[in-house]
Amino acid sequence: GENVEQHPSTLSVQEGDSAVIKCTYSDSASNYFPWYKQELGKGPQLIIDIRSNVGEKKDQRIAVTLNKTAKHFSLHITETQPEDSAVYFCAASMADSNYQLIWGAGTKLIIKP
Amino acid sequence: ETGVTQSPTHLIKTRGQQVTLRCSSQSGHNTVSWYQQALGQGPQFIFQYYREEENGRGNFPPRFSGLQFPNYSSELNVNALELDDSALYLCASSSPQRGVTDTQYFGPGTRLTVL
Repeated sequence: GENVEQHPSTLSVQEGDSAVIKCTYSDSASNYFPWYKQELGKGPQLIIDIRSNVGEKKDQRIAVTLNKTAKHFSLHITETQPEDSAVYFCAASMADSNYQLIWGAGTKLIIKP
Repeated sequence: ETGVTQSPTHLIKTRGQQVTLRCSSQSGHNTVSWYQQALGQGPQFIFQYYREEENGRGNFPPRFSGLQFPNYSSELNVNALELDDSALYLCASSSPQRGVTDTQYFGPGTRLTVL
């Protein structure tokens, strides 16, 4: 079946450095790729998303890139800050659904002061 | 604009009992999806409601059921609770556009513990 692989499972970076999280999806018909940030005890918060007609999208310190040929997409966070510490999830839409998402397993991002 | 709200925040039940969780969608959204998130894992899709009808379902047994009301709020009901039902239950609301995958906005979740 369809799946999304996410790496790494844990990422520790120095404050001010950049962080990159990568996801690979299996369904070539997936066309929507959101990224969510989840802090302890809270629900996932949408931080950025990209659709398959775009290769890159940026919002201040956060950017997402999509390579449809290779079926992978990445989250880039620059100038990391302590408040960026959280679990980040990638997801991909299912081909035969306009609402169901397949989720990655999550990346725990730790920002070291 | 009001975000997605869920109640209660926490709940403790015993095996075999029934539970009802509630969700109010974000202002302007007519679709609600429910997810189960076990500790350390990503959310798993349970089902979605659109215009008061179930619009799709994930791999969950029939003892997981739901409702959507005319004001677009929703309930998730779980019967005959099992220990493995212990999880964070998330509600997400969206406003579908034709031919485009929904952008979903999540509530804070309800932490259910089954003893």
